[in-house]
Parts: sequence; C-alpha cells; structure tokens
Amino acid sequence: AQTVTQSQPEMSVQEAETVTLSCTYDTSENNYYLFWYKQPPSRQMILVIRQEAYKQQNATENRFSVNFQKAAKSFSLKISDSQLGDTAMYFCAFPSANYGGSQGNLIFGKGTKLSVKP
Amino acid sequence: KAGVTQTPRYLIKTRGQQVTLSCSPISGHRSVSWYQQTPGQGLQFLFEYFSETQRNKGNFPGRFSGRQFSNSRSEMNVSTLELGDSALYLCASSPGRDGEAFFGQGTRLTVV
Repeated sequence: AQTVTQSQPEMSVQEAETVTLSCTYDTSENNYYLFWYKQPPSRQMILVIRQEAYKQQNATENRFSVNFQKAAKSFSLKISDSQLGDTAMYFCAFPSANYGGSQGNLIFGKGTKLSVKP
Repeated sequence: KAGVTQTPRYLIKTRGQQVTLSCSPISGHRSVSWYQQTPGQGLQFLFEYFSETQRNKGNFPGRFSGRQFSNSRSEMNVSTLELGDSALYLCASSPGRDGEAFFGQGTRLTVV
C-alpha cells in the first residue's frame, strides 16, 4: 500500500531560523512527483514546492528547499529564514498510483503543525 | 485569473439529510478532485472527475457521489448524513495528469 508518514505532529521555530520537516513515503512506482503543501488557518491549501522523482537535483523555491533521498524514500522540507507567515500545517503528498497517479489523486501525510515564534 | 471557488463555505445539516457541495475550477482546468479532511483521518481522497467522467474513486461508501458538468464545475452529494461526515471538504482543480493541483478554501460541513 502507498503511504506517507510525517513523524513530527508539531514543531516550533524562532523567526529567522531554519527548520526541517520530515516525510517518508512508500511506493512501488518509479516515476512520480512529491509535494509539500501548506495550510494556514485560512484553510487554503497552497503548494509550497514539488519534486520530480527522476530528477536528482533537489527542488528549491526561494526560502524553501527539499532533501530528496529516493532510495530511502525520504522527502524533507527545509524552511530557511522562517517568517511569522510560515505558521501553518504542512502536508507531504504524492499522487496515488491506485487512483491513476495524477495530481488529482493525492495521498497526504497527517501533517506537521509549524509555529514560528517572534 | 480566478481561483477555485467552493460554495457554500459553511453548512450545518441534520443527521439523515442530504447535502450538495459545489466547486468551480480554474478556467481551463478539466480535472476536479474532492477530498475530505477530518482531525482523525486527515486528508482523504474522495473522487476525481475529468471531462465529465469519474476517473477515480477513493474508499468511501456509496452515500458519497459526485458529478461534473460540461463547464467543468463539479458537485458532490452526500446522502443520509451521519455525524461522522462532519468535515472540511476540499476541492482541487488541475489541467490534467501532470498539472499542479490548486485547492479551494473548502466547505465546512457540520452534521448535528
């Protein structure tokens, strides 16, 4: 079965510091995408960053970067220079091959609640 | 470009009733997916529609159904509501298989 595990239910970080959120997953697929989504209190799910599994280079989007270890099936998110606006739930997700494997059929982890403190 | 619009934002229903939720995708997006989010189960995939056809369905009972119209707008229906159906229902649209999924703000359904 395809699964996504986020082992840190809650984390906190001081403003301007760096924090890393962990995610492990299990799939038998070889080509797939991995995503990190952010859900602030407004409930709007926002895509933070995505990684294509066939690319060895880790994805980067401004202050957000990933450490993708395909063999270990690990996909962690690093947030540098944390800002108060980064306070949110963060979800790791990937398309379920059981449901067609498109971006419309995502399996999500349970989430990590990140609090950025001033 | 307008984002994904879900209506209504909040809904309170009584056990046994039925409910219909609506989702208008981003213009040009043909795929619409629905997810249920609860504190206990997290985010779970309900179903996906593409060009008016249900492409995939998650592991939910038949009380949960949906449809998509020719303009890509989608509705989901839950019949014979149970207390456990109380959740945030999220809709996402994407252009197709490899396009990014954009989410709406959700409909908060409370069953009493």
